[in-house]
Amino acid sequence: QSVLTQPPSASGTPGQRVTISCSGSSSNIGSNTVNWYQQLPGTAPKLLIYSNNQRPSGVPDRFSGSKSGTSASLAISGLQSEDEADYYCAAWDDSLNAVVFGGGTKLTVL
Amino acid sequence: EVQLVESGGGLVQPGRSLRLSCAASGFTFDDYAMHWVRQAPGKGLEWVSGISWNSGSIGYADSVKGRFTISRDNAKNSLYLQMNSLRAEDTALYYCAKDRLPRLRGAAGFDYWGQGTLVTVSS
Repeated sequence: QSVLTQPPSASGTPGQRVTISCSGSSSNIGSNTVNWYQQLPGTAPKLLIYSNNQRPSGVPDRFSGSKSGTSASLAISGLQSEDEADYYCAAWDDSLNAVVFGGGTKLTVL
Repeated sequence: EVQLVESGGGLVQPGRSLRLSCAASGFTFDDYAMHWVRQAPGKGLEWVSGISWNSGSIGYADSVKGRFTISRDNAKNSLYLQMNSLRAEDTALYYCAKDRLPRLRGAAGFDYWGQGTLVTVSS
């Protein structure tokens, strides 16, 4: 049981916009920034979004993040086949004094 | 080019110990916090432990607290994880990851990851 809650799966067709939600609490998302990671099959995770809505250099602007209260979302616009991957949200938790991850969302491009 | 190379994984019996290492290059190692994140076969990511730039702040997941010890040697650009009293549920791919900032609290995002080292705990 993960501290942050994500839907286990999401899907979309090429060109569509999809969103992935991440729900937490006041001790994590409610008081700290959210980061998102993309893990392509058989590879190490990659930082996709940091500080709620910032993209590292090289990440396409098709990827965007937002946060409101104790929830956050990752949006992917202009969906491409290469976006098929697992996506994880993460945040610091002040009560646990630990980084907490969501359970991950498997994105399928139909 | 930033590189993180983990080593030390392998097959170990329950109750035994193992020490993981992570060799870092391509960046100023002592400017950043570092972390260990693991992924059990077919499962999601789990943060294991983190350490601030100067080892002044250290944190552990409840699942490993009291059994695992993180450390770093800034002179050798290396991160370590001493794992004692290993259990079957510790079986996972262990990743070394670099934080974007020096501090531990807040964990600003892990911008570089190694390829991982596999730890299998089984009799």
